[in-house]
Amino acid sequence: RKEVEQDPGPFNVPEGATVAFNCTYSNSASQSFFWYRQDCRKEPKLLMSVYSSGNEDGRFTAQLNRASQYISLLIRDSKLSDSATYLCVVNPPTSGTYKYIFGTGTRLKVLA
Amino acid sequence: GAGVSQSPSNKVTEKGKDVELRCDPISGHTALYWYRQRLGQGLEFLIYFQGNSAPDKSGLPSDRFSAERTGESVSTLTIQRTQQEDSAVYLCASSPAAGMGYGYTFGSGTRLTVV
Repeated sequence: RKEVEQDPGPFNVPEGATVAFNCTYSNSASQSFFWYRQDCRKEPKLLMSVYSSGNEDGRFTAQLNRASQYISLLIRDSKLSDSATYLCVVNPPTSGTYKYIFGTGTRLKVLA
Repeated sequence: GAGVSQSPSNKVTEKGKDVELRCDPISGHTALYWYRQRLGQGLEFLIYFQGNSAPDKSGLPSDRFSAERTGESVSTLTIQRTQQEDSAVYLCASSPAAGMGYGYTFGSGTRLTVV
């Protein structure tokens, strides 16, 4: 089983739609979780951290479900500019090092 | 500088040659990471440095790959005797410290093509 798994998509949604992605992780002791956004041929950029209590930033909501070992990202009122690949990032506790593991990403296309 | 700076942005090299990639982290960031991203694939961890601690080299794919960092500043990733499978974007990232809750800031990467 991969350490971090994501549905590659693409998710094709119309403007204004609500879309959600999940990401599962294998190490139950993982402690830090993030969502990054990567545009085509660009570097990944931090979108938001995922806290145990959930995290909301404007149209974006991230949640953590420790019992089922997944994190989610919800995007409300999708914009054309939201089209990108969304990367799930997990920090499994490995001998005290802080090596983040990136999922392969979920592609989102928001259609006019 | 304001962000993570990488050079060169593009590098084309012949198979068998050595290449050196440079990363200048955000000033004051003690943690520095190198990742590799092949076309259409996810990010693959290579190595990370945290202050004066021994680096975590567990992701380096072979002994042709090595990296150094001077204190808490510039890092260089060296690939010796390049092979075609080394073609990828090499991304450097830094964070204020290696620890829980610190996200990374990435540079724009070096696109390496081995011909």
